[in-house]
Amino acid sequence: EPEVTQTPSHQVTQMGQEVILRCVPISNHLYFYWYRQILGQKVEFLVSFYNNEISEKSEIFDDQFSVERPDGSNFTLKIRSTKLEDSAMYFCASASGSPQHFGDGTRLSIL
Amino acid sequence: AQSVTQLDSQVPVFEEAPVELRCNYSSSVSVYLFWYVQYPNQGLQLLLKYLSGSTLVESINGFEAEFNKSQTSFHLRKPSVHISDTAEYFCAVTAMNTGFQKLVFGTGTRLLVSP
Repeated sequence: EPEVTQTPSHQVTQMGQEVILRCVPISNHLYFYWYRQILGQKVEFLVSFYNNEISEKSEIFDDQFSVERPDGSNFTLKIRSTKLEDSAMYFCASASGSPQHFGDGTRLSIL
Repeated sequence: AQSVTQLDSQVPVFEEAPVELRCNYSSSVSVYLFWYVQYPNQGLQLLLKYLSGSTLVESINGFEAEFNKSQTSFHLRKPSVHISDTAEYFCAVTAMNTGFQKLVFGTGTRLLVSP
């Protein structure tokens, strides 16, 4: 069964550094999403992406965040200057309808 | 906008006992409803979904959920749990027929099954 793949599984970064989280969605899916889950809290929507542009973003997704689909297969989330509060599990999801299919996540630890 | 309430943060049960995990939602439009399960150190896996049709939906591992529109609920049940069902369970909704909208999640219920 096709699945969403996320790399790396764990990323440790110094505060203020840029980080790029990578996702390979399921190949025939057209809708892509990023969510995050701070330890012990609920899963929160960050951004959705369709037809090479952002279709919706949450208030969390400020100017420090950006998304890109650089080569037609990867879907990346960039955090420009990381803060301590960016430490969380980041999930990528893709869909061709409902439901959304999730990857196993990238645990981002900011030191 | 949608919101999801999972009142129980943790539900301890003994193996082979029945369990119900509660989920209530709020929305001004019709919604699709989902239960996702997260095993320790893993991602989110779809457990079951309600899109349309029969209000009772079942998963392959014995869970079921019933959509109750009048009570705005989508409670998850299993008649006999196993140790392997220990996990975090998230109820989620998305607005219907508005494109592929974001999922709104509840805070999750940790199911702890003991021998």
